[in-house]
Amino acid sequence: GAVVSQHPSWVICKSGTSVKIECRSLDFQATTMFWYRQFPKQSLMLMATSNEGSKATYEQGVEKDKFLINHASLTLSTLTVTSAHPEDSSFYICSATSLGGGKNFGPGTRLLVL
Amino acid sequence: AQKVTQAQTEISVVEKEDVTLDCVYETRDTTYYLFWYKQPPSGELVFLIRRNSFDEQNEISGRYSWNFQKSTSSFNFTITASQVVDSAVYFCALSEAASSASKIIFGSGTRLSIRP
Repeated sequence: GAVVSQHPSWVICKSGTSVKIECRSLDFQATTMFWYRQFPKQSLMLMATSNEGSKATYEQGVEKDKFLINHASLTLSTLTVTSAHPEDSSFYICSATSLGGGKNFGPGTRLLVL
Repeated sequence: AQKVTQAQTEISVVEKEDVTLDCVYETRDTTYYLFWYKQPPSGELVFLIRRNSFDEQNEISGRYSWNFQKSTSSFNFTITASQVVDSAVYFCALSEAASSASKIIFGSGTRLSIRP
């Protein structure tokens, strides 16, 4: 139980395009989801906390207009990287909190912006 | 503010050696959770353990063991008789235990290489 999926697992796009990444809790409802970004050989850095039915809370230094987060249902949160540039190339990981408080991580999405 | 420090950036040992990964944390919360995750080259995080701040008992799971010392704010991880498959990046992490909205803060990670 408590499985989190992400789609796509890999995405390559041209500079200036927008990319949407989905995070789904498959067998549980998650009122709160988290989005992390991990650059090569670095740690996971929290980008934002996504709350179902309300606006996301962004960490300091993360541009909310560039990284749009939508948490429209209890099982789905989306992260849209708008006007992506090569410096946005990274590994994006989501996490969803289950009822018991467990933090369940998705398998991650690798984004490469050319 | 919460902070997790993993001072060891990289560790390399020969197979079958024991290895300990250090983790020191800072928090003002009285109730919190500590975690260890393994991240193999595929990138997917593998959950290893979650420990509540009220439970200072050491834990052993097969070749893995964890030493939680509240007095020194440390939560160290030991792999006994290491194997090549243990090669990965290991992250120590911390979160408040208060609610589902509590975020997890990660340490910088320790890259462990086990040589045959």
